[in-house]
Amino acid sequence: SQQGEEDPQALSIQEGENATMNCSYKTSINNLQWYRQNSGRGLVHLILIRSNEREKHSGRLRVTLDTSKKSSSLLITASRAADTASYFCATEKSGNTPLVFGKGTRLSVIA
Amino acid sequence: EPEVTQTPSHQVTQMGQEVILRCVPISNHLYFYWYRQILGQKVEFLVSFYNNEISEKSEIFDDQFSVERPDGSNFTLKIRSTKLEDSAMYFCASSEARQAIQYFGPGTRLTVL
Repeated sequence: SQQGEEDPQALSIQEGENATMNCSYKTSINNLQWYRQNSGRGLVHLILIRSNEREKHSGRLRVTLDTSKKSSSLLITASRAADTASYFCATEKSGNTPLVFGKGTRLSVIA
Repeated sequence: EPEVTQTPSHQVTQMGQEVILRCVPISNHLYFYWYRQILGQKVEFLVSFYNNEISEKSEIFDDQFSVERPDGSNFTLKIRSTKLEDSAMYFCASSEARQAIQYFGPGTRLTVL
């Protein structure tokens, strides 16, 4: 299985702090994507990082990818209460293959 | 900004009934997907669709499921004879190319009684 698995399963921080979530996977991938899901809602795409990239930024988000360790991390800086959501990594192998999602990290940002 | 839309937002049905979940992908996208998420569990791939045919499907996507693109805009998922375990959020997604970002719709919550 190429499943992405996030850790921690749950994370609670104070507003203004940084949040780091990790994702590990098992097989070679073409890209890894991070999504956010507010409770009971749809998935919002955050960042796509390709296997030949090591780091990407988007606003307060920073994603790293270490293909040798088959792991990725998502850093949210200066967190806000509105960042409270579940965060999922999803991996995609080469070819027209589907996204394989991990179980997600539930982030709670306390104001 | 273009977005994927899904209808209905919530569908309640009796076991054994047929349901059709509808999606309108982003207009210039060529690849379409269905995923589902059972409450509290991970998002699972069901099927991908390109050039008017299924390109890949998972073990979940058995004979009770079918997909169709009946016109130039809609993409549907039909479940022929629903089971209790089909209760889940069903997400449609689309992408403009292979290995590109998949944009998800808001989902349809299916409840089978």
